[in-house]
Amino acid sequence: DTAVSQTPKYLVTQMGNDKSIKCEQNLGHDTMYWYKQDSKKFLKIMFSYNNKELIINETVPNRFSPKSPDKAHLNLHINSLELGDSAVYFCASTGETQYFGPGTRLLVL
Amino acid sequence: QKEVEQDPGPLSVPEGAIVSLNCTYSNSAFQYFMWYRQYSRKGPELLMYTYSSGNKEDGRFTAQVDKSSKYISLFIRDSQPSDSATYLCAMRRTDSSYKLIFGSGTRLLVRP
Repeated sequence: DTAVSQTPKYLVTQMGNDKSIKCEQNLGHDTMYWYKQDSKKFLKIMFSYNNKELIINETVPNRFSPKSPDKAHLNLHINSLELGDSAVYFCASTGETQYFGPGTRLLVL
Repeated sequence: QKEVEQDPGPLSVPEGAIVSLNCTYSNSAFQYFMWYRQYSRKGPELLMYTYSSGNKEDGRFTAQVDKSSKYISLFIRDSQPSDSATYLCAMRRTDSSYKLIFGSGTRLLVRP
């Protein structure tokens, strides 16, 4: 059983479009994250939610909006996509340590 | 200066070699230290997790933390081609946010 799952795995879209990425965890954790990994493999935290409440919001353009309908789900919606948004986006869930999803590869053309 | 520094490599070693991967950090408030392994096109997976200073061993992997020098290491004994991956160090403070700060990752290639 997959602990942290994300959909879709791949996302190819045009500049200016709006897209969403979904994340679900079945670990019973209260805290979930979104990370962005650039082409140089640097993992940068974007957001963190604890039990549906936003607790970390790094310097991220407000075109990115996370939504947590319940503590097992944390979705990421991106408006007006730009070329620089192309990256791999990872969802993670944390108890004592963090568990990562498989990633969503976003390519903006 | 980044909070966590890690040599990006690539590090290329022959099969069977002992590999040493390292990170330095600047924030003395970090108390929890982790090593993640990331294969190409996969998510990071937790390898080792230590609290404060000291050593921890798990099979062929040993993690060391030297808080006085703000330096952490991961040693891999008898390295295998299947160990070829990017290794990311990560660390956090003891507050409740569980916010991890990652190094940029070291790419390791173990040659058969």
